[in-house]
Amino acid sequence: DARVTQTPRHKVTEMGQEVTMRCQPILGHNTVFWYRQTMMQGLELLAYFRNRAPLDDSGMPKDRFSAEMPDATLATLKIQPSEPRDSAVYFCASGGHTGELFFGEGSRLTVL
Amino acid sequence: AQSVTQPDIHITVSEGASLELRCNYSYGATPYLFWYVQSPGQGLQLLLKYFSGDTLVQGIKGFEAEFKRSQSSFNLRKPSVHWSDAAEYFCAVGAANDYKLSFGAGTTVTVRA
Repeated sequence: DARVTQTPRHKVTEMGQEVTMRCQPILGHNTVFWYRQTMMQGLELLAYFRNRAPLDDSGMPKDRFSAEMPDATLATLKIQPSEPRDSAVYFCASGGHTGELFFGEGSRLTVL
Repeated sequence: AQSVTQPDIHITVSEGASLELRCNYSYGATPYLFWYVQSPGQGLQLLLKYFSGDTLVQGIKGFEAEFKRSQSSFNLRKPSVHWSDAAEYFCAVGAANDYKLSFGAGTTVTVRA
């Protein structure tokens, strides 16, 4: 059963620490998204890639966030330094040729 | 710019009763429309999608949605809800061949016995 895999599922860290979240998209999918979900803002698009190239990262705070796809099987989202306002659930999603997005189960980040 | 409005933040429905969740979209061309469901602590799962053709689409878990271009709406329905349908539901709109979706704020559904 193909699925998007995200690690870690939960992360608690202290302000100022670096946080890296990882995503393994569904094999063969060429589009990968990072979303952030909070109670106040709902689902926000942070960045997305097609064929590993970044297409749009306008939703991401550039000074502290970075997103990369080192290869077709791995996408990373890094926060350095982390702040309490970054506490949220971060979702990765991938899409192939069917027009559907498949979401991972999310990484819940708590920054103290 | 594309956008989605889900007018109802929270809906409570009795088990066995019908459910309708509203979704209005704003999009300049022919939209791709989606409904996703999110259970607590889980990711989003696709319920159904509309790309073209028949405006009444069937999805998983007994859900259906109807695309009405004249009303810019894509409302989700289920004839008889089950307690397991308690979740948050998101409507989303995107462009053809572009996975960049805009999501609504979501509607939380509570099912009472």
